[in-house]
Order: sequence, then C-alpha cells, then structure tokens
Amino acid sequence: QQPVQSPQAVILREGEDAVINCSSSKALYSVHWYRQKHGEAPVFLMILLKGGEQKGHDKISASFNEKKQQSSLYLTASQLSYSGTYFCGTELISNFGNEKLTFGTGTRLTIIP
Amino acid sequence: GAGVSQTPSNKVTEKGKYVELRCDPISGHTALYWYRQSLGQGPEFLIYFQGTGAADDSGLPNDRFFAVRPEGSVSTLKIQRTERGDSAVYLCASSLTGTGMGGGYNEQFFGPGTRLTVL
Repeated sequence: QQPVQSPQAVILREGEDAVINCSSSKALYSVHWYRQKHGEAPVFLMILLKGGEQKGHDKISASFNEKKQQSSLYLTASQLSYSGTYFCGTELISNFGNEKLTFGTGTRLTIIP
Repeated sequence: GAGVSQTPSNKVTEKGKYVELRCDPISGHTALYWYRQSLGQGPEFLIYFQGTGAADDSGLPNDRFFAVRPEGSVSTLKIQRTERGDSAVYLCASSLTGTGMGGGYNEQFFGPGTRLTVL
C-alpha cells in the first residue's frame, strides 16, 4: 500500500527545476506533501484533493491525477533551502473516514550552489 | 506559540525493558498521530486519536505497543518488552481537527521525535 516515489534521489544546481512523482496502487482521495531536513521533523508543504482543489505553498506547485493515482510536485528555480527529503502522504479511498496517511518511500533532493 | 513537543529526545534502553514516550500537541488540536520512522524511510503510521479516543490503531505492530490520551491533549506511547527491532525515531503529530476528508484537510504539525535505541 505504500506509495512509490521517483526519483529516489536527485542533485540539482541552484536555480534548476525538479519534479518529484508519487504513485499509488490504490485509489486516492487526497495527497499530502511534506519536506524533511536531516535530523528534523517533517514540515507540511501542501494538500491536493480529489476534484482538483489545492491547499498549500506559494512557491511550490503540484498536480494530482486521480485516474492515474499519482501526484507530482514541481519545484521551480530551486533554492538551497529546498534541500531535504520529500514525502508524499496518501489518503486512500478505501480508508476514507479514518484520517490515516500512508507515506511514500521518499525523494532526497540536494541543491548545490 | 509552542509547537508539538516530545520527550525524551533520546531514549536508550535494554532489550526487554518498558518505555514510555510522551507527546504534547499544539493546544486546541483534537487530532493526534503517532508514527515510527526508520532510517531512510517515510513515517509509518501507528495510531490516530480524535480527542481522547483511539480512532484508528491499525498501525500498531503488536500488542506490546499501546498509546493513551486520557484528557484529549498529552499522549503517551507505551512499549512493553522492547526488542532491538523497535529501534527507530518515534514521531508525534497533531492537527486542528484532522488531516483527511473527515477532519477538514488540516496540515499535520510534527514534533522533533524521540530516538529510541534498544540495545
């Protein structure tokens, strides 16, 4: 049930763009994105809802393809502060009502000057 | 304002011992979650509280794990007869009313975690 993220790791130069994908084998109601820096707690980025509504970040965008059961996170003009491990958390339709998020395998993003 | 706090930050114990991990959520948050995170992995769901009640404990690995939230604020995760495989960072998160459709899609605020090492 754990969503699969790709790529597992990516290294970018400051100012370059990145796309992180999250794919589920099960139907999703929502996708939640978090970033975790080494040794720190995960921090919320945004939520994407079935039906297209988004809640979250000003400088990071994302999409949610319900039919393909996947979400993509777009980081444009990356900054050094974007470095960290990105996790998607999925709310499965089969788990509807129980508030449980299943987090993905993670994508480690490293931004170099 | 204070965020989610967890104590202790580090806990080293011997195999077979009992441990308690504490979580203080953000004041007013009714939803509270416990996760376990192993190195290089995403947070693994353990249990979810709505108020004082455990609404979903499907992630608890076995009956050695138990959690309470008696007054609807502070929560304690209890692990009996610890095993080396229990070693991980235990994360607590709180949310205003919940993070899914039923709860209104509020973000989860994570605490700094408790690193548990079982020797």
